[in-house]
Amino acid sequence: EPEVTQTPSHQVTQMGQEVILRCVPISNHLYFYWYRQILGQKVEFLVSFYNNEISEKSEIFDDQFSVERPDGSNFTLKIRSTKLEDSAMYFCASVALTATYEQYFGPGTRLTVT
Amino acid sequence: GIQVEQSPPDLILQEGANSTLRCNFSDSVNNLQWFHQNPWGQLINLFYIPSGTKQNGRLSATTVATERYSLLYISSSQTTDSGVYFCAVCGSGGYQKVTFGTGTKLQVIP
Repeated sequence: EPEVTQTPSHQVTQMGQEVILRCVPISNHLYFYWYRQILGQKVEFLVSFYNNEISEKSEIFDDQFSVERPDGSNFTLKIRSTKLEDSAMYFCASVALTATYEQYFGPGTRLTVT
Repeated sequence: GIQVEQSPPDLILQEGANSTLRCNFSDSVNNLQWFHQNPWGQLINLFYIPSGTKQNGRLSATTVATERYSLLYISSSQTTDSGVYFCAVCGSGGYQKVTFGTGTKLQVIP
């Protein structure tokens, strides 16, 4: 069964550094999302992306964050200057343009900012 | 935005017992999914169930969309069922974000 993949599974970075989290959505999916989960809390929406542009973003998704689909398969989340509070699990999800709206989630990247 | 509430927040079961987890949501939805978050933090998709009833082994789920709630049943619980169960919904009107509930933390003890 096709699945969403994410790399790396765990990234440790120093405060102020830039990080890029990578996702490969399911190949025929056209809607993409990033979510994050701070330890012990619920999963929160960051941004959705369709047709090479952001379709919705949350108040969390400020100027430090950006997303890109650099080629036909990857979908990336960049954090320009990481803060301690960016430490979280980041999930990528994708949806096919069909009659269902089921979101397929990747396994997540655990980001630790020290 | 749409509100999602889950109950109970915590649940401790003896192995072999049955349980029911509830998810209430505040508006019409075109997507409702149940996830199990394993100890490694991965979200395992259990059910896509915007309405009706589905069963998969010892798990089943029912969503009554008109009354804005969904139930997840776990029968004959096993220690491997431990973890956090999340309900997530997407409001009607296109491919919107899903909104997660705060989860039910389940611990199954031998």
